[in-house]
Amino acid sequence: QQQVKQSPQSLIVQKGGISIINCAYENTAFDYFPWYQQFPGKGPALLIAIRPDVSEKKEGRFTISFNKSAKQFSLHIMDSQPGDSATYFCAASDTNSGYALNFGKGTSLLVTP
Amino acid sequence: NAGVTQTPKFRVLKTGQSMTLLCAQDMNHEYMYWYRQDPGMGLRLIHYSVGEGTTAKGEVPDGYNVSRLKKQNFLLGLESAAPSQTSVYFCASSHWTSESTDTQYFGPGTRLTVL
Repeated sequence: QQQVKQSPQSLIVQKGGISIINCAYENTAFDYFPWYQQFPGKGPALLIAIRPDVSEKKEGRFTISFNKSAKQFSLHIMDSQPGDSATYFCAASDTNSGYALNFGKGTSLLVTP
Repeated sequence: NAGVTQTPKFRVLKTGQSMTLLCAQDMNHEYMYWYRQDPGMGLRLIHYSVGEGTTAKGEVPDGYNVSRLKKQNFLLGLESAAPSQTSVYFCASSHWTSESTDTQYFGPGTRLTVL
C-alpha cells in the first residue's frame, strides 16, 4: 500500500519554466521528507529534503513547500533546464523501519529546449 | 571514497536458481537498506539493517534473505528465483544520529532478469 502519493506521473516543461510535482501522505508519524532525482541507469540521488518544523526550504533553483496540516509537500524547480530531465521521487520516513524511505511512484520530467 | 557499491551490475537467472547480491559502503554508516524498483512502482523496501548482526523485514520481503555480518556489507539472497523478482535492486546506506536519520546514499543498482 503506497503511503506516499505522487503526481503527476509525467511532466513536460519548456526551458525556463517552472516544474511542480506534488506529494501527499497519511502517516502523521513521518518526520523527514526528501526528494530524490534519478537519471536513467543510475541510482537515486538526494536533491533536497525538509523536516516538518519548517514550511519551505530552498536550495538554488529547487524549493520544497510543506503543508503539515494538509499533509502535502511539493517540489518546485525554477528556471527548468534540459539537464533537469530525469525522474523525481518524493519520499517520507519516520523512526519505524529504521528510517527506511517510503517512496512515491515517481514523476518523469522532460524539459524541452 | 567509493560510497555505495553493488555487485554484480547485471545478472540473468533461470527460474529456481539462487544468487547473492553484495552491497558495500565505505562511509561507516550504521543503517543499510535493500530496495527494488519496478516500472511505475517507485522503490519498495525489501529488508533493512540498523547495525551489524541485525536485520528486519520491509514491505516486500518474501523470497529474499539478508545478512549483515560486517558493518560495511549487506547481502541480499534470492533462494529460488522467480520471474516476479525481475527488477532493479538498489542498496542504500545512511548515518544515524540520536535525533533522526541522515541522507540515504544509493548504489548504482543491480539489474536482475529471471527467465
